[in-house]
Amino acid sequence: QQPVQSPQAVILREGEDAVINCSSSKALYSVHWYRQKHGEAPVFLMILLKGGEQKGHEKISASFNEKKQQSSLYLTASQLSYSGTYFCGTEGRGSTLGRLYFGRGTQLTVWP
Amino acid sequence: GAGVSQSPSNKVTEKGKDVELRCDPISGHTALYWYRQRLGQGLEFLIYFQGNSAPDKSGLPSDRFSAERTGESVSTLTIQRTQQEDSAVYLCASSLQTGNQPQHFGDGTRLSIL
Repeated sequence: QQPVQSPQAVILREGEDAVINCSSSKALYSVHWYRQKHGEAPVFLMILLKGGEQKGHEKISASFNEKKQQSSLYLTASQLSYSGTYFCGTEGRGSTLGRLYFGRGTQLTVWP
Repeated sequence: GAGVSQSPSNKVTEKGKDVELRCDPISGHTALYWYRQRLGQGLEFLIYFQGNSAPDKSGLPSDRFSAERTGESVSTLTIQRTQQEDSAVYLCASSLQTGNQPQHFGDGTRLSIL
């Protein structure tokens, strides 16, 4: 049930772009994205519900392909503050609604 | 309160002891979730409560783990006869309701079993 995230780690220079992918073997109702800085609680970024939906938060956006059960997080013109571990959480339908399964995370490091 | 509050922030105990972790959700949030995060790992779903419905306990790893919630307020996660593999950060989150809602996390309880 755990989604697969890739890559496991990304190192960027400030201003560069990155893409983080999340895929599930199960039909999805929604995909959540969170960022966690070391020693802190995860912070909500966005939820995607419908197939093809895209959303944005600052210069971070995401897409959700419901048919392929995949979501991607796009970080453009990265800033130092973007460093942290990014988790996708997937929510299934029916009896599993409300239950989030998180990937193992993608560690993003942005250097000046 | 303004955010999800968890206590204690750190707990060190001997193997075999029972521990109780507390979570105070955001006021008005009917859904409450517990997760476990081992070092360098993702968040592992344990249990969630939605209003007065029966809790979804499907993620609890063994019968040593149990959780309760009083109405739509405080929840406690109890681990009996702790084992070293129980060492982790236990995170609580709350949301307005279940399904398609952002979850707001507390800072967690770091549990260390000696």
